[in-house]
Amino acid sequence: KQEVTQIPAALSVPEGENLVLNCSFTDSAIYNLQWFRQDPGKGLTSLLLIQSSQREQTSGRLNASLDKSSGRSTLYIAASQPGDSATYLCAAPSSGGYQKVTFGTGTKLQVIP
Amino acid sequence: DVKVTQSSRYLVKRTGEKVFLECVQDMDHENMFWYRQDPGLGLRLIYFSYDVKMKEKGDIPEGYSVSREKKERFSLILESASTNQTSMYLCASSSVRGRSYEQYFGPGTRLTVT
Repeated sequence: KQEVTQIPAALSVPEGENLVLNCSFTDSAIYNLQWFRQDPGKGLTSLLLIQSSQREQTSGRLNASLDKSSGRSTLYIAASQPGDSATYLCAAPSSGGYQKVTFGTGTKLQVIP
Repeated sequence: DVKVTQSSRYLVKRTGEKVFLECVQDMDHENMFWYRQDPGLGLRLIYFSYDVKMKEKGDIPEGYSVSREKKERFSLILESASTNQTSMYLCASSSVRGRSYEQYFGPGTRLTVT
């Protein structure tokens, strides 16, 4: 059964710092991996989807990498801003299928001005 | 842009009431999902639908049922609401076209059962 872990659970950084969020998964037979952002009391916003054939995916200041062999994905945020403060979640396909996913419990990021 | 809407942002219901949560997506997606999100437990899948009238139980289906009569609409039903169903409910959709399976979420419904 797929298990997804995100460490640390919370992170506080000063504005302008580059940072890396980590996501680990146990079943490496995945088709893709998705990163989301969630603001308090809101739904999830899709940030990046990496297909298993890709090693990296970029969107603005965000860069996500995927290493299936080690069961890890990282989300790199460059030049962090207070507006980046949110909870970041990763999701990997659940074992045995592509259509359902298993979520990590997220990393709560605070960027201090 | 994909849009997923949910019928209510906040809902307060009494124990024993029948509760309907509605979700609509406008991108002709085949798959639709209902999750609940609780502090410390993360997102857990309640039900999944891969086609009209087709459904599959998720990890925590007890106390819930679903209905998908039209492709764009997926309803979550709490037959007899209980206090332990107080939670944030999130709907999502995804497409199998292009084998993307990228999930898009609605804004969520905060349900309180008193």
